[in-house]
Amino acid sequence: EDKVVQSPLSLVVHEGDTVTLNCSYEVTNFRSLLWYKQEKKAPTFLFMLTSSGIEKKSGRLSSILDKKELFSILNITATQTGDSAIYLCVLLTSGYSTLTFGKGTMLLVSP
Amino acid sequence: SQTIHQWPATLVQPVGSPLSLECTVEGTSNPNLYWYRQAAGRGLQLLFYSVGIGQISSEVPQNLSASRPQDRQFILSSKKLLLSDSGFYLCAWTSGRGPGDTQYFGPGTRLTVL
Repeated sequence: EDKVVQSPLSLVVHEGDTVTLNCSYEVTNFRSLLWYKQEKKAPTFLFMLTSSGIEKKSGRLSSILDKKELFSILNITATQTGDSAIYLCVLLTSGYSTLTFGKGTMLLVSP
Repeated sequence: SQTIHQWPATLVQPVGSPLSLECTVEGTSNPNLYWYRQAAGRGLQLLFYSVGIGQISSEVPQNLSASRPQDRQFILSSKKLLLSDSGFYLCAWTSGRGPGDTQYFGPGTRLTVL
């Protein structure tokens, strides 16, 4: 059975801190790993990682995938209160594009 | 550009009543479509997915059913709602045509069963 484990489940940081969110997985027929940010409503897409060792960046956010050790990290530098959200790690497997979601990390950035 | 719509946005239903949630996608053809539920304090759970009209795969046994009467329409239904059906229901689509699939979500429907 495919499995995605995110850690920590929740954390509270102060504005300006740097955070690292972890995602480890066990999955057959790996295609991609995706990160989403979910605030009040639907998740919004952040990154898709398919190849190992290639960092993807978008502003203060970055992410990297290690397919040998089966994990990914999402880094957020200089956090802001607007970064407060649930961050979801999602595995995309081959076949019918089935997704397996982790439970998410709830991040709270306090001013 | 592609857009995905869900309605209603919020729904409060009594236990035992029927349910119908609708999802439509614009700007693409033959998408893969998905229904997810997010219960309070839990991750997203895949309920159903569909690769074409009339083709539905169920991931978990439950009180719900799904149908795809048209290429870009996906409907989530129940004949009799349970309290445990409360949650946030998300519809999503993906092209399903290559390794670079990204899943795009609709705005969601918050269902409360009383």
